[in-house]
Amino acid sequence: ETGVTQSPTHLIKTRGQQVTLRCSSQSGHNTVSWYQQALGQGPQFIFQYYREEENGRGNFPPRFSGLQFPNYSSELNVNALELDDSALYLCASSLGTGVVNTEAFFGQGTRLTVV
Amino acid sequence: QQQVKQSPQSLIVQKGGISIINCAYENTAFDYFPWYQQFPGKGPALLIAIRPDVSEKKEGRFTISFNKSAKQFSLHIMDSQPGDSATYFCAASRAAGNKLTFGGGTRVLVKP
Repeated sequence: ETGVTQSPTHLIKTRGQQVTLRCSSQSGHNTVSWYQQALGQGPQFIFQYYREEENGRGNFPPRFSGLQFPNYSSELNVNALELDDSALYLCASSLGTGVVNTEAFFGQGTRLTVV
Repeated sequence: QQQVKQSPQSLIVQKGGISIINCAYENTAFDYFPWYQQFPGKGPALLIAIRPDVSEKKEGRFTISFNKSAKQFSLHIMDSQPGDSATYFCAASRAAGNKLTFGGGTRVLVKP
């Protein structure tokens, strides 16, 4: 086990709704990255949070947003859900400086289905 | 634009055989190259990682070979076991654990 926990494990939402996914980082880690993994594909980087600030973003629209809290846990929010948002959402935590990090440890993911 | 290309997409190997997975990258700023193993319903788990200052790294039955001039790296799984049946991803980033770019994955099946 990595010590990175995500909730919920599964979720079904309707197109147009909003969703919040949660991640508790491994003890001692200050950096959280979120990834989207579509079925049969590799994970794609959404964004990273370091000390409560966004520290880099992948090619995802603004309706994907996030937060990091003082205890370094994090949330991923997706507004106006689309069918293509159906995927496994992965959270990874690491210890870093904002530029250099230790290896990333992944949680088990949240499976989001949009209908 | 896919910056890390992985092949093959799937692989079947007999128990005791060698599994070989190849990756190629485009961004010369990448300096950290990890391999992850993922089982169904689980998140990826780090197997082994390499930096471009070495050409090979071995940990147990897993070996990474790295060719900086060709911008290619590969994973060799020696003495493959049925428990190795999983999907393997190569990845790259500019710093360890930081904003990883993943390949498309290779599904490995080890037959008893």
